[in-house]
Amino acid sequence: GENVEQHPSTLSVQEGDSAVIKCTYSDSASNYFPWYKQELGKRPQLIIDIRSNVGEKKDQRIAVTLNKTAKHFSLHITETQPEDSAVYFCAARSGQAGTALIFGKGTTLSVSS
Amino acid sequence: DVKVTQSSRYLVKRTGEKVFLECVQDMDHENMFWYRQDPGLGLRLIYFSYDVKMKEKGDIPEGYSVSREKKERFSLILESASTNQTSMYLCASSPGGIIPTEAFFGQGTRLTVV
Repeated sequence: GENVEQHPSTLSVQEGDSAVIKCTYSDSASNYFPWYKQELGKRPQLIIDIRSNVGEKKDQRIAVTLNKTAKHFSLHITETQPEDSAVYFCAARSGQAGTALIFGKGTTLSVSS
Repeated sequence: DVKVTQSSRYLVKRTGEKVFLECVQDMDHENMFWYRQDPGLGLRLIYFSYDVKMKEKGDIPEGYSVSREKKERFSLILESASTNQTSMYLCASSPGGIIPTEAFFGQGTRLTVV
């Protein structure tokens, strides 16, 4: 089955800096890679996702890159703000019927002002 | 808005009790999932279902079972609760089909087994 590794487990940056979180996956059949943000006491919510036919996707200050050959994908947050502080989870899933979204262990991002 | 609702926000149960965690979604999603969230371990998949009465084991199914008698409802059952099952439980749902799309989460149930 799929296995997703996520690094780093914690990340502290100054407001305005960039933050990068990296994930690797094991199943070459995986073709969907979402990123979720979980604020304290709240449910995880999707912030951006990418499919295997795309190498990069941007949405304002966040971007995700995918390298299918190397089986890794990354989340980039530019111009970080205190409200970006949260736990971020990467995940992977294949398009085959009967497969589930498998998550990494999460990265706790702290943005200090 | 997609709504995934878990029946309880907090639960306290005794060791050995049979515990039912209920999850209901209102978007006619084929897929439903149960995850367990523990600090430093992320979201670990317990069971999932891609159709009514269908279920698949996830990474940590031991001590749990599930039921999906209706499309909108997915129940997680702890047959005999133990203290090591104290955790946050998250339900999620997503549409079916070949092209995977976003999974939506419930608000979570924090279960304490004493």
